[in-house]
Amino acid sequence: DAKTTQPTSMDCAEGRAANLPCNHSTISGNEYVYWYRQIHSQGPQYIIHGLKNNETNEMASLIITEDRKSSTLILPHATLRDTAVYYCIAAYSGGGADGLTFGKGTHLIIQP
Amino acid sequence: DAGVIQSPRHEVTEMGQEVTLRCKPISGHDYLFWYRQTMMRGLELLIYFNNNVPIDDSGMPEDRFSAKMPNASFSTLKIQPSEPRDSAVYFCASSGTAFTNEKLFFGSGTQLSVL
Repeated sequence: DAKTTQPTSMDCAEGRAANLPCNHSTISGNEYVYWYRQIHSQGPQYIIHGLKNNETNEMASLIITEDRKSSTLILPHATLRDTAVYYCIAAYSGGGADGLTFGKGTHLIIQP
Repeated sequence: DAGVIQSPRHEVTEMGQEVTLRCKPISGHDYLFWYRQTMMRGLELLIYFNNNVPIDDSGMPEDRFSAKMPNASFSTLKIQPSEPRDSAVYFCASSGTAFTNEKLFFGSGTQLSVL
């Protein structure tokens, strides 16, 4: 799986959009970009994933650059409950068949 | 579905004692994973099963650790004897079939403290 690079921490004001960047410059053509988050004292939670096209679900939007070397997770209206560690993972599958390798992630702090 | 269920939620034991962590995956899921999380090493995959069969245990730190899955609805992770450096949060996760294995579903974890 390709290596990903994320900022260690970020702040965002409550009610604003939180934009979390991820670099994956060595990603291969058939590797997906997955995002999980881990709220304090809980297990990681799946957010969204994509291959080439932008994706949106009820939790977030995922914007992948055309060259696929980076992506941005967008939480459109951040709330205090979105404070968590967010993991960006490049992988050939969702890990459902062989697990996922989690890095350090970005600690997102939503400020009231 | 109640999700992945782990027990106990917290475990405090003394060095040298046997510790058994338990996991009930989501019904119908074919894959089960055990992870360990510490501040120093982050989330580490220890072992995973497919249809109750261990597939890869290369992440198991040493022989003191063992995992079993006697049936599709139950798995255990055992540490014998336990050591203070085993203190961590242990997560169990499950995922669906080979054709719907897009994501992992994690339990709430077991906080293990070995004194």
